[in-house]
Amino acid sequence: GEDVEQSLFLSVREGDSSVINCTYTDSSSTYLYWYKQEPGAGLQLLTYIFSNMDMKQDQRLTVLLNKKDKHLSLRIADTQTGDSAIYFCAERSGNTGKLIFGQGTTLQVKP
Amino acid sequence: KAGVTQTPRYLIKTRGQQVTLSCSPISGHRSVSWYQQTPGQGLQFLFEYFSETQRNKGNFPGRFSGRQFSNSRSEMNVSTLELGDSALYLCASSLDSFTGELFFGEGSRLTVL
Repeated sequence: GEDVEQSLFLSVREGDSSVINCTYTDSSSTYLYWYKQEPGAGLQLLTYIFSNMDMKQDQRLTVLLNKKDKHLSLRIADTQTGDSAIYFCAERSGNTGKLIFGQGTTLQVKP
Repeated sequence: KAGVTQTPRYLIKTRGQQVTLSCSPISGHRSVSWYQQTPGQGLQFLFEYFSETQRNKGNFPGRFSGRQFSNSRSEMNVSTLELGDSALYLCASSLDSFTGELFFGEGSRLTVL
């Protein structure tokens, strides 16, 4: 079946690196995504990775994909208080194109 | 380049009424999909439209429907509203169903009393 799992909460100190992990089950996934949601707002696309890639870096963000283990991670370097939000991992089904979302990880950044 | 625009942003309805939500995708994007976000169920896929045709549908009752116009704008309708329909409804826009970039609007927050 289609399922995406994330840990629910992560707390880090400002300036540290944050690593948010995600596992998925759908072998047909074409793309995997990280979205950020702040209170009262929609979903902001942070980054995405094609399923045949291992890594993608975009400024402070690094995405690692282990396709064999169906494990995705998002590393945020030099985490700032403005990074406090809920982060959603999602996979895009290769069969239907729909997104399957995880439950979201709340990132708390302490000054 | 303008982003995904959803209207209205907030609305309050009573049980039994119906509601229509609108989504204008990014210019040039032909795929529009809709998601429901609730605290209990998280983000769930409602349906996807491409070139005025519904391509996929999630596991929602027939009270939830949608359509897409020739300019790619999309509407979703919920009839006979129930309390459990209270949610944030998010619209996503992409070039087609299987490309990478998928952008969301700010959502329409529906409260059913």
